[in-house]
Amino acid sequence: AAGVIQSPRHLIKEKRETATLKCYPIPRHDTVYWYQQGPGQDPQFLISFYEKMQSDKGSIPDRFSAQQFSDYHSELNMSSLELGDSALYFCASSRRQGYGYTFGSGTRLTVV
Amino acid sequence: SQQGEEDPQALSIQEGENATMNCSYKTSINNLQWYRQNSGRGLVHLILIRSNEREKHSGRLRVTLDTSKKSSSLLITASRAADTASYFCATDVQSGYSTLTFGKGTMLLVSP
Repeated sequence: AAGVIQSPRHLIKEKRETATLKCYPIPRHDTVYWYQQGPGQDPQFLISFYEKMQSDKGSIPDRFSAQQFSDYHSELNMSSLELGDSALYFCASSRRQGYGYTFGSGTRLTVV
Repeated sequence: SQQGEEDPQALSIQEGENATMNCSYKTSINNLQWYRQNSGRGLVHLILIRSNEREKHSGRLRVTLDTSKKSSSLLITASRAADTASYFCATDVQSGYSTLTFGKGTMLLVSP
């Protein structure tokens, strides 16, 4: 079965650069979520989209933005990157409210 | 502070033994979910228990939920070396759209 696809798997950027992470949810899943997980930390919710509209916002810095497109894929845009942005970024999708999430394998962002 | 707090933070057992992890949370929830994460990999959904359920089983997994104490436990029976991973509880709170809030996780090491 198709899973949540994230690209790229790994990304190395320098400070102050910009990064774009992509997520392709499972077909017919109506909600997409973005999470950030620092080294040894629990995943922190960033932002979510329900039917292409932003549905909830967590601890997402103003330097980050995200959107969901007409084909349901989502992109997380990160500007003015800082060393502290180095983390695993996960995208997840769910079929309906109150169901388990399916996570992608994540994008490992390293800011040098 | 975190919605879900797990204990213990780390657990080391021998193959064949049972492993119990606990999770406490603060606010009312729609459901509570348990996820597994191998080092640096994606999160895998294990089991979801709704707020009106008290116990749920899935294979060697048993989850309990006590909403009066705002706590849950995950029991893995007859553990295997392949169960070595971090385990996170995540709560889906009763407000607006579904958003999971993760606890800090329990790192389980199962030795052969």
